[in-house]
Amino acid sequence: DGGITQSPKYLFRKEGQNVTLSCEQNLNHDAMYWYRQDPGQGLRLIYYSQIVNDFQKGDIAEGYSVSREKKESFPLTVTSAQKNPTAFYLCASSIEPGTGVYGGANVLTFGAGSRLTVL
Amino acid sequence: GENVEQHPSTLSVQEGDSAVIKCTYSDSASNYFPWYKQELGKGPQLIIDIRSNVGEKKDQRIAVTLNKTAKHFSLHITETQPEDSAVYFCAVRRGTSYGKLTFGQGTILTVHP
Repeated sequence: DGGITQSPKYLFRKEGQNVTLSCEQNLNHDAMYWYRQDPGQGLRLIYYSQIVNDFQKGDIAEGYSVSREKKESFPLTVTSAQKNPTAFYLCASSIEPGTGVYGGANVLTFGAGSRLTVL
Repeated sequence: GENVEQHPSTLSVQEGDSAVIKCTYSDSASNYFPWYKQELGKGPQLIIDIRSNVGEKKDQRIAVTLNKTAKHFSLHITETQPEDSAVYFCAVRRGTSYGKLTFGQGTILTVHP
């Protein structure tokens, strides 16, 4: 079955530590995204990548870093510079606009999420 | 940047009733409006979407209406069932911003049997 796999599902971190969240997709999608979900605030875009070896900052990129060395993988590192990292993190992917069934609608396929708690 | 307001934040209905969730947006250049459903412990999943050249779209018990002049769009669920209980998010995409969706704050829908 095609889909997006996020790991770990739950992660605990001590203050001052960097942690990396994994995101792998086998949908052959070009674009991948990281969103952060907090209660009452919806989903906010952290980083996105439209193609391998390229990525762009989203609305709340400070304290985060990403890499896109392979089409299938888009790991997110939460650094010690992120002041309030406790949240639910969602990875997503989509077919580039103009090539998908919806002709540019950018249907996002989400993973099941990773919950990060800072102790 | 784009601002999306979603209301209500919580909605409780009896099974069989209708549910309506509304979103307003600020950027008149927005042209794509999806709705996502998030069940407990899962990632959001697209349930319906509409583009700016269409005023209404239906898919069985769910429908979305768009008022471009007023810059708001709504999700309508008829004959609600307990399995409709979830968090619903509206989203907006501006022009050719590719996958850069701006999401609303979410609505927790509870359908009581």
